[in-house]
Amino acid sequence: AQSVAQPEDQVNVAEGNPLTVKCTYSVSGNPYLFWYVQYPNRGLQFLLKYITGDNLVKGSYGFEAEFNKSQTSFHLKKPSALVSDSALYFCAVREVGTGGFKTIFGAGTRLFVKA
Amino acid sequence: DAGVIQSPRHEVTEMGQEVTLRCKPISGHDYLFWYRQTMMRGLELLIYFNNNVPIDDSGMPEDRFSAKMPNASFSTLKIQPSEPRDSAVYFCASSSSTGEYEQYFGPGTRLTVT
Repeated sequence: AQSVAQPEDQVNVAEGNPLTVKCTYSVSGNPYLFWYVQYPNRGLQFLLKYITGDNLVKGSYGFEAEFNKSQTSFHLKKPSALVSDSALYFCAVREVGTGGFKTIFGAGTRLFVKA
Repeated sequence: DAGVIQSPRHEVTEMGQEVTLRCKPISGHDYLFWYRQTMMRGLELLIYFNNNVPIDDSGMPEDRFSAKMPNASFSTLKIQPSEPRDSAVYFCASSSSTGEYEQYFGPGTRLTVT
């Protein structure tokens, strides 16, 4: 069965500092991995995805994530945080080749960027 | 494209009443998903459709919940009768099986059952 874990409920970082939001996953085969962001009173917005190829993927708003197969991780990173990055971040996984489109979302990590 | 459209944005109803939530997916997308978000349980997949056919409804909490997709541009999630524990934000999302893998979410419907 697929699963995804976000070990931190909350991450605090000062503006201008690098940020990391952690995610680990479990699937039987190869994964499709995603990061989404949710601002207050809004739906989730797609940030980036790993499907295949380069382990470092770049996405919207300067975010990037690194796929690490041996550690089954897909951590979200940004070199310099902005106050406007404060939001709820979700990691998600879908198993390749299962024939379905079921995507499992993590519990979410709330990011606070302090000015 | 207008994105995924959901209506109503807010719904307040009394326990026992029927509630119908509506969703219009992005044109051309062949997958549609219904999710529920609460503080306690996070984001839960309720059901998803492919080409208007329900594929997995294992997340539907109980028989009070039903979902339909009569055509490619419209879906409904119905709760009958509603209960206070159904209070949540309900999201609809759509996706394409060709090329894209990510899901596009609507703004959600905030349901309050008193």
